[in-house]
Amino acid sequence: AQSVTQPDIHITVSEGASLELRCNYSYGATPYLFWYVQSPGQGLQLLLKYFSGDTLVQGIKGFEAEFKRSQSSFNLRKPSVHWSDAAEYFCAALSYNTDKLIFGTGTRLQVFP
Amino acid sequence: DTEVTQTPKHLVMGMTNKKSLKCEQHMGHRAMYWYKQKAKKPPELMFVYSYEKLSINESVPSRFSPECPNSSLLNLHLHALQPEDSALYLCASSRARDGMSGYTFGSGTRLTVV
Repeated sequence: AQSVTQPDIHITVSEGASLELRCNYSYGATPYLFWYVQSPGQGLQLLLKYFSGDTLVQGIKGFEAEFKRSQSSFNLRKPSVHWSDAAEYFCAALSYNTDKLIFGTGTRLQVFP
Repeated sequence: DTEVTQTPKHLVMGMTNKKSLKCEQHMGHRAMYWYKQKAKKPPELMFVYSYEKLSINESVPSRFSPECPNSSLLNLHLHALQPEDSALYLCASSRARDGMSGYTFGSGTRLTVV
């Protein structure tokens, strides 16, 4: 079955530290991949997306993600975290033969000053 | 305009009430979606509309009735809901059903069923 896995439920980092959020997918073929961020009680904002080509994708707010086909992974990174980055982060995948955007379970990011 | 607007932001309704959620976008997107999100859970797809026609219904109970009157507007009619239907209801849109451009989400309607 198609699925998206985010192994880390909750991550805590200090402000200014680097960040990596993990995402793995299980699909028959490489799906389209996305990272979304959600602040409490809000909708989801698209950070970045990957369809093909360059495996390192740049997004908004200083985020980037690297697609690794061999590991079925699409990890999100940021070199220096700001307190305003505290939120819930969702990895998502879209299979072009089902047109359904499927979300991982999310990773809650907490940032300490 | 690069937004998806959802109204109302909050809704409290009784189990015998009939209410509607509204979603509007003016980005020329031809695919629109309803998602349901319970607390501390990821969004779950409910319905997909493509060119104003229902293309996906994820086995949603009939007490939820979607409607797409035109390409900019998506409604979700609610009737005889249960307390377990309390959740954040998110609307999204994309340029086309393939979603390659990414989905734009609204801020959601926080629904409480009492």
